[in-house]
Amino acid sequence: KNEVEQSPQNLTAQEGEFITINCSYSVGISALHWLQQHPGGGIVSLFMLSSGKKKHGRLIATINIQEKHSSLHITASHPRDSAVYICAVGPGGGADGLTFGKGTHLIIQP
Amino acid sequence: GAGVSQSPRYKVAKRGQDVALRCDPISGHVSLFWYQQALGQGPEFLTYFQNEAQLDKSGLPSDRFFAERPEGSVSTLKIQRTQQEDSAVYLCASSLVGLRYEQYFGPGTRLTVT
Repeated sequence: KNEVEQSPQNLTAQEGEFITINCSYSVGISALHWLQQHPGGGIVSLFMLSSGKKKHGRLIATINIQEKHSSLHITASHPRDSAVYICAVGPGGGADGLTFGKGTHLIIQP
Repeated sequence: GAGVSQSPRYKVAKRGQDVALRCDPISGHVSLFWYQQALGQGPEFLTYFQNEAQLDKSGLPSDRFFAERPEGSVSTLKIQRTQQEDSAVYLCASSLVGLRYEQYFGPGTRLTVT
């Protein structure tokens, strides 16, 4: 089974700060997903990547397949970025579904 | 366009009751996934359908859990004789085909077993 570790588990920052969330996994995969979940809300897919780097607005995701590591960056953070950010990988480690990290709870204070 | 919908959004069941949770995927999406998310945890995989075929049910926690997608569209997750440890949010996601395409998640069904 693939093990997915995220760090930090909790992060509080001031508006405008540059944010980095890290994800590492144990078994080779075909793709890695970064997801956003607001309290009481559904999950929104931010990125799906298998190599290199993707950018969407203030969000940047990178992946290093050899090191089995990915990072999600948020530039010029804003209070509306406050949410849980979840890293998920798949397939790999047996099951056909995604294997998820426990999430990083991000709070951006004004 | 319509996204993934799930019903009911909230369900309270007494221990021992059977429940049925429904998922309507995005039209045309071949693959459908069910996940279970316990409070404060990341989701965990339950089962996966490609059209009407259940290709992987390795994540179902016990034989009390059963999922079906008889016509390759709507799916139902059924939990028999619910237990308190079944309390969680049950998420459904769909994708064009398999894991090589982005997954779109429904809002989830929050099940509370009392």
